[in-house]
Amino acid sequence: GENVEQHPSTLSVQEGDSAVIKCTYSDSASNYFPWYKQELGKRPQLIIDIRSNVGEKKDQRIAVTLNKTAKHFSLHITETQPEDSAVYFCAATSGTYKYIFGTGTRLKVLA
Amino acid sequence: GAVVSQHPSRVICKSGTSVKIECRSLDFQATTMFWYRQFPKQSLMLMATSNEGSKATYEQGVEKDKFLINHASLTLSTLTVTSAHPEDSSFYICSARDQGLAGELFFGEGSRLTVL
Repeated sequence: GENVEQHPSTLSVQEGDSAVIKCTYSDSASNYFPWYKQELGKRPQLIIDIRSNVGEKKDQRIAVTLNKTAKHFSLHITETQPEDSAVYFCAATSGTYKYIFGTGTRLKVLA
Repeated sequence: GAVVSQHPSRVICKSGTSVKIECRSLDFQATTMFWYRQFPKQSLMLMATSNEGSKATYEQGVEKDKFLINHASLTLSTLTVTSAHPEDSSFYICSARDQGLAGELFFGEGSRLTVL
């Protein structure tokens, strides 16, 4: 089955700097890669996603890149703000839509 | 986006009792719902896939007799934790996929279970 690894587990950046979180997956059949942001005690919220037929996608300060050959994808947050502080999860899924999540990255943006 | 509602948000129960958690898709029909479990500061672990009108599919290591799942309609799935023990205390989150939105997964608010 699918296995998703995520790094780093914690990340602290100064406000205004960029943050990068990386994930690798094992199942070459996976074709959809969403990223979720979860604040303490709340549900995960989708922030950006990418499909396997696309190499990069950007939405304002957030971007995701995908390297299908290497089976890894990354989340890039530019001009970080304190409200970006949260836990971020990557996920991978194929046509079954059984999402397998990474282990999470606790991002702390220091003001 | 689609809305998934989960109830109750918090429940405290005594050891040995059973607890039912409901997951509803409010504005779309979900033939498939997923139940996740999340321990503090850990990731979301898929427990089972709930299929409308048929038996749930459980992940390896998840006891189907312990975590009963019923998906009786296209908008409701329930998870019952039977004979709960303190080690069952966790954050349980359901999710559902809206087929009309290219497969995006929407999560319920989560239910924090504390077993005394």
